[in-house]
Amino acid sequence: GENVEQHPSTLSVQEGDSAVIKCTYSDSASNYFPWYKQELGKRPQLIIDIRSNVGEKKDQRIAVTLNKTAKHFSLHITETQPEDSAVYFCAASKNTNAGKSTFGDGTTLTVKP
Amino acid sequence: DAGVIQSPRHEVTEMGQEVTLRCKPISGHNSLFWYRQTMMRGLELLIYFNNNVPIDDSGMPEDRFSAKMPNASFSTLKIQPSEPRDSAVYFCASSLAGLAGSEGGYFGPGTRLTVT
Repeated sequence: GENVEQHPSTLSVQEGDSAVIKCTYSDSASNYFPWYKQELGKRPQLIIDIRSNVGEKKDQRIAVTLNKTAKHFSLHITETQPEDSAVYFCAASKNTNAGKSTFGDGTTLTVKP
Repeated sequence: DAGVIQSPRHEVTEMGQEVTLRCKPISGHNSLFWYRQTMMRGLELLIYFNNNVPIDDSGMPEDRFSAKMPNASFSTLKIQPSEPRDSAVYFCASSLAGLAGSEGGYFGPGTRLTVT
């Protein structure tokens, strides 16, 4: 089955700096890669996603890149703010699997004011 | 749209009791997922349904756990009998999975289960 590895497990940055979280996946058939943000005590929320026919996608301060050849994808947050502090999960899925996503173990991001 | 609805939000029960968690997915979504989240094990997929049919229940930890989806708008996760190690937050999520590719899962608020 699919295996998703996520790094780093914790990340601390200064407000205004950029943050990058990286994930690798094992199943070359995976074609959909969502990212979730989970604030303390709350549910995971989808923040951005990318499909395998696209190399990069951007939404305001967040962007995701995908390298299908290398089977890795990354989340980039620019101009970080304290409210970006949360646990971020990457995931991988394929449309032949009824939408089932395999999640990474999560990255705890702390943005220091 | 109200999003994914779960009930109860909190459940405290004694060991040995039956626990039933409920979920109403987003209307129109055809896939439903049950997850369990703990500090030790992270986010675990327990079971998922597509078009009300269980597709993969390999994540269900033991026979004490069972899940049903009698129709497109309702699912239950039952634990009988419950044990202290079942204490966790249980999330239900739904998504639209189709030929165009998966859509991101939308999570419910979760049920925080405490078994004493």
